[in-house]
Amino acid sequence: EVQLVESGGGLVQPGGSLRLSCAASGFTVSSNYMSWVRQAPGKGLEWVSVIYSGGSTYYADSVKGRFTISRDNSKNTLYLQMNSLRAEDTAVYYCARSVVVAATPPYFDYWGQGTLVTVSS
Amino acid sequence: AIQLTQSPSSLSASVGDRVTITCRASQGISSALAWYQQKPGKAPKLLIYDASSLESGVPSRFSGSGSGTDFTLTISSLQPEDFATYYCQQFNSYPPPYTFGQGTKLEIK
Repeated sequence: EVQLVESGGGLVQPGGSLRLSCAASGFTVSSNYMSWVRQAPGKGLEWVSVIYSGGSTYYADSVKGRFTISRDNSKNTLYLQMNSLRAEDTAVYYCARSVVVAATPPYFDYWGQGTLVTVSS
Repeated sequence: AIQLTQSPSSLSASVGDRVTITCRASQGISSALAWYQQKPGKAPKLLIYDASSLESGVPSRFSGSGSGTDFTLTISSLQPEDFATYYCQQFNSYPPPYTFGQGTKLEIK
């Protein structure tokens, strides 16, 4: 059974850092595309970042230069390192899996339950 | 970046009603569009991919159509468990972003 479990959220001051983790089971993280999506309180979904199976990474303009996506293949875990945090980064952060199928867009077929990040002094 | 605009932003309907939600892309995205359902406090759930393909396990009352810039999600006969917020997402961009629409909240009338 595919499972994604996020952790690492919490309260952090503006300018601070936080690292989110997404532990995967039932599949191999490195063989799939993995993304982070966030949702500010009462707002819609915002795509944040993706890491492709080959290792390429991409970011939303709103987080570029501040956030870093990575994975640990030995732990089958995805990470999001968040630096220089701002109040507008306050959101629930979800990790999501995309199955890699040739010539098929990487739709998000499994999602974690989310972890809340609050940026406030 | 490609923008997605959903309409309406909110919708009131009754059990048994047929409901249609629209998603319009700022430029052509072929059929690279997904629809998700999200209930309060829960993660989104994939309903439709490739604009019209039903994800495994999703009831057949859900259907999607469209290509290019105009897409629709239709629920043929609303059930109580369908009251939720629905999002479209495009995957035509390379490199990303994989943009979401702003969401459509479906409420009980």
